Amino acid sequence: QQQVKQSPQSLIVQKGGISIINCAYENTAFDYFPWYQQFPGKGPALLIAIRPDVSEKKEGRFTISFNKSAKQFSLHIMDSQPGDSATYFCAARSSGGGADGLTFGKGTHLIIQP
Amino acid sequence: ETGVTQTPRHLVMGMTNKKSLKCEQHLGHNAMYWYKQSAKKPLELMFVYNFKEQTENNSVPSRFSPECPNSSHLFLHLHTLQPEDSALYLCASSPRLAPNTGELFFGEGSRLTVL
Repeated sequence: QQQVKQSPQSLIVQKGGISIINCAYENTAFDYFPWYQQFPGKGPALLIAIRPDVSEKKEGRFTISFNKSAKQFSLHIMDSQPGDSATYFCAARSSGGGADGLTFGKGTHLIIQP
Repeated sequence: ETGVTQTPRHLVMGMTNKKSLKCEQHLGHNAMYWYKQSAKKPLELMFVYNFKEQTENNSVPSRFSPECPNSSHLFLHLHTLQPEDSALYLCASSPRLAPNTGELFFGEGSRLTVL
């Protein structure tokens, strides 16, 4: 059973637009929600992360919105640029677990058209 | 440059071959991991080592054999693989297994093709 459901699988956005990727989870023990960004030929890299005690976290053009009651969180990329084209993975970690407790979504392949 | 180096970057092997993947981290981390990345699937955690000791083996077939001689090096020995084992194998490290953050530092991966 997949514990973190990510959608959409692929996404095409025009340059300057807003890219939105959604994730949902079921395990209420999850207490840390990172997003990883992966460029072709590279490994994933941490982009931004949030804990459930806040509803939103913003870093530059990247924002995580978190809805604890709905058990959903999303990544918003404002003013999307061609350089943002990559695969994005949401993840969740259960409390008391180290990095080995991360559960990943299936990924979203994002293409920003110039 | 993430501080985690994997070799080789690409590997093609037959089902009867024996090969090894190597990972080296220059970050002073104590925990190292092997992940399998297949198309349209979540990243699959295979093995976890903390201070050279294996702490997790996620029901990985015995044709995959990890080795961690020290906290900086991790190997994945491969033998009698199946075509469905073709994937990108990612090595990662983290400062420790403590629950403070879930940040993993990934290498660029080894693309394995089994013929």
